[in-house]
Amino acid sequence: QKEVEQDPGPLSVPEGAIVSLNCTYSNSAFQYFMWYRQYSRKGPELLMYTYSSGNKEDGRFTAQVDKSSKYISLFIRDSQPSDSATYLCAMRNTGGFKTIFGAGTRLFVKA
Amino acid sequence: GAGVSQSPSNKVTEKGKDVELRCDPISGHTALYWYRQSLGQGLEFLIYFQGNSAPDKSGLPSDRFSAERTGGSVSTLTIQRTQQEDSAVYLCASSTGKNNEQFFGPGTRLTVL
Repeated sequence: QKEVEQDPGPLSVPEGAIVSLNCTYSNSAFQYFMWYRQYSRKGPELLMYTYSSGNKEDGRFTAQVDKSSKYISLFIRDSQPSDSATYLCAMRNTGGFKTIFGAGTRLFVKA
Repeated sequence: GAGVSQSPSNKVTEKGKDVELRCDPISGHTALYWYRQSLGQGLEFLIYFQGNSAPDKSGLPSDRFSAERTGGSVSTLTIQRTQQEDSAVYLCASSTGKNNEQFFGPGTRLTVL
């Protein structure tokens, strides 16, 4: 079993839809949770960063962490065609340098 | 720009040949990471450099893989006697420290025929 599980999709939605992306994990020591966005032929870029449990909002993006269920989510409101990319969840424990990434979910937002 | 750069962007090689992949991190970043990204897989950690400390090589998949970082800046990932399963995108990232945001380069797409 992988430490981090993420549905690879692809996920196709119409413009303006609310998108929900999710990851589950098995290591209860993870404390830092991240979402990266990766456009085709580019490196990943950090989108959201959350420490421990709770919600964090940044514009159209909301990250949620439920440590009791070992489940994290990224919500995208009013999705745009420019949001079409692969979204990777990532996490690591306190004091650790090694970040564990999910496989990534490919998202297509249709105009 | 002042981002992480990698070269070459694409590399096609024949099975059994050696390849060298280069990473230029952001100036002043002390931490440097190498990852491998295969189709449908997440980023697989390979190696981590932090300042002048000994690198963490725990992610290297075999002794055919090695990396060095000269002068705390540029890093080279070397794959000897390449195999077809080595085909992947190799990504480099740098950060100001181990707990800080990693900035990724565009990657080198390696194809082993």
